[in-house]
Amino acid sequence: EADIYQTPRYLVIGTGKKITLECSQTMGHDKMYWYQQDPGMELHLIHYSYGVNSTEKGDLSSESTVSRIRTEHFPLTLESARPSHTSQYLCASSGGLADYNEQFFGPGTRLTVL
Amino acid sequence: AQSVTQPDIHITVSEGASLELRCNYSYGATPYLFWYVQSPGQGLQLLLKYFSGDTLVQGIKGFEAEFKRSQSSFNLRKPSVHWSDAAEYFCAVVPYSSASKIIFGSGTRLSIRP
Repeated sequence: EADIYQTPRYLVIGTGKKITLECSQTMGHDKMYWYQQDPGMELHLIHYSYGVNSTEKGDLSSESTVSRIRTEHFPLTLESARPSHTSQYLCASSGGLADYNEQFFGPGTRLTVL
Repeated sequence: AQSVTQPDIHITVSEGASLELRCNYSYGATPYLFWYVQSPGQGLQLLLKYFSGDTLVQGIKGFEAEFKRSQSSFNLRKPSVHWSDAAEYFCAVVPYSSASKIIFGSGTRLSIRP
């Protein structure tokens, strides 16, 4: 079964550090997404991509950036982490022949910035 | 405004009791409809989906949902809950006019009373 992977699962870092959250999928999906979710709260779309070299900002403003150089890989970068970035980050993908935008989610990265 | 509403923030039911989680949407045409479940610290897992056809949809883990066009609803049901069903449940909608954007509800947290 194809899958979507996120690393690291947990990350605790100090303020000012640069971090990259990794997301990879093996389903060949053209669309990929990053969501930010505080504990017990709703999901907020922060970035999405409809294909290689295509990236867009989502509904929630974020200081993070993304890149899509390969179909399967959609990393998210924070140049200078701050405590306000503490949250859970979920990566998802969708695509395929019958594309009703059903999204498949990774397990998430829980980020804590001290 | 177009939206997805889950009116219940938190529901507690006894183990073995029946469950119904509510979801309403406010889009003109029939959208694509989904229910996802999220266990603590995890990503989202698809429970079931509705695109067209039979309005009663069966999903995994014994869940089902019924699409009611007249009520713009897509309520999730389970005849007998298990302690392992305790989780956060998200209703999601892909508007028919925007097949690339999925809109999530704010979620309903389900607790199970022993």
